[in-house]
Amino acid sequence: GQNIDQPTEMTATEGAIVQINCTYQTSGFNGLFWYQQHAGEAPTFLSYNVLDGLEEKGRFSSFLSRSKGYSYLLLKELQMKDSASYLCAVRRGSTLGRLYFGRGTQLTVWP
Amino acid sequence: NAGVMQNPRHLVRRRGQEARLRCSPMKGHSHVYWYRQLPEEGLKFMVYLQKENIIDESGMPKERFSAEFPKEGPSILRIQQVVRGDSAAYFCASSPPGGDTEAFFGQGTRLTVV
Repeated sequence: GQNIDQPTEMTATEGAIVQINCTYQTSGFNGLFWYQQHAGEAPTFLSYNVLDGLEEKGRFSSFLSRSKGYSYLLLKELQMKDSASYLCAVRRGSTLGRLYFGRGTQLTVWP
Repeated sequence: NAGVMQNPRHLVRRRGQEARLRCSPMKGHSHVYWYRQLPEEGLKFMVYLQKENIIDESGMPKERFSAEFPKEGPSILRIQQVVRGDSAAYFCASSPPGGDTEAFFGQGTRLTVV
């Protein structure tokens, strides 16, 4: 099976920077995804890494090291609306939507 | 371009009844995936379908659960003789037939079995 681990909860204050880590063990790795999910809502796509390195998209960046089975999501200039669950997911093989998810990290942003 | 549409958003069923959950993929998407999210758990893959074909059902419970994606109309996830343990959020995602992109999720159906 797949082991995908991420912290259960994190807290931070508005304007700060937070890094959410994710480690995984899998065969046939073909990409790592980060999704944001507000309570009662659909997961929404944030980022995708398939090669090692950093992908930056506005206030959000994601990093991948395939040799270490490690990724992180970096959120800058935190806002209250960033309070949500952040889901790390791994894709194996070529099927676009066949993902293995971690349990999610519940981020709370305080004023 | 409407996103992935799921209905109903909330569904209450008594033990032993049947639950039918519907998913209409995004326009141009022919691949559908169903996921289940139990309280305090991550999303778990259930089944992957293309039009009129079940491609991968390795995550489906062996009994009481079935899925279809007919040539016309939405994809249906059917749960027969529901039990309390079936209470969960069921999410549908869709993707286009090719390319290297992400799957898009619907807002889910929250099933409560009483």
